[in-house]
Amino acid sequence: ELKVEQNPLFLSMQEGKNYTIYCNYSTTSDRLYWYRQDPGKSLESLFVLLSNGAVKQEGRLMASLDTKARLSTLHITAAVHDLSATYFCAVSLLTGNQFYFGTGTSLTVIP
Amino acid sequence: NAGVTQTPKFQVLKTGQSMTLQCAQDMNHNSMYWYRQDPGMGLRLIYYSASEGTTDKGEVPNGYNVSRLNKREFSLRLESAAPSQTSVYFCASNDRLRETQYFGPGTRLLVL
Repeated sequence: ELKVEQNPLFLSMQEGKNYTIYCNYSTTSDRLYWYRQDPGKSLESLFVLLSNGAVKQEGRLMASLDTKARLSTLHITAAVHDLSATYFCAVSLLTGNQFYFGTGTSLTVIP
Repeated sequence: NAGVTQTPKFQVLKTGQSMTLQCAQDMNHNSMYWYRQDPGMGLRLIYYSASEGTTDKGEVPNGYNVSRLNKREFSLRLESAAPSQTSVYFCASNDRLRETQYFGPGTRLLVL
């Protein structure tokens, strides 16, 4: 059974600080996805990481993928209140058409 | 271009009642999915359809049935609702194998 684990589950950070969210998965996959969900809203795609060593950046968020370690990170630089949301990672297997989601990291940025 | 739409947005059912959740996408995507989201458990796949005419079970299919009516529409049916099916249900679609998914706004279901 494929497992996707995120940590931390909850994160409270001050504006201007840096932090990293970790996503570990239990089986081989070469595609890793990051999504954002605002309270009461749907999921919005942030990044798709397609190969080992892939790095993508958008504003204050940067995502990376290490397929050998089965690990992806979402790094937040100089956090601002607008980044408060729940962040999910997901993986898909090399074969098949299913996506497996982590439990999410609820981020609160405090002024 | 509406993307992925879902109806209804909210629904309250009594135990044993049935209902169908509707989903439609206008992006000409082949694959469609139904997930449920429960607190602390992320999203769990109920059923998916890789293409028109095919459906497959996901992680938590018990108590649900699906129909891929055509390329645009993918419905989820609860034949006899149970309180354990209280959840938020999301429909999603994507156009190629393992490409990122686009999600609908969700249906919030309460089963009493």
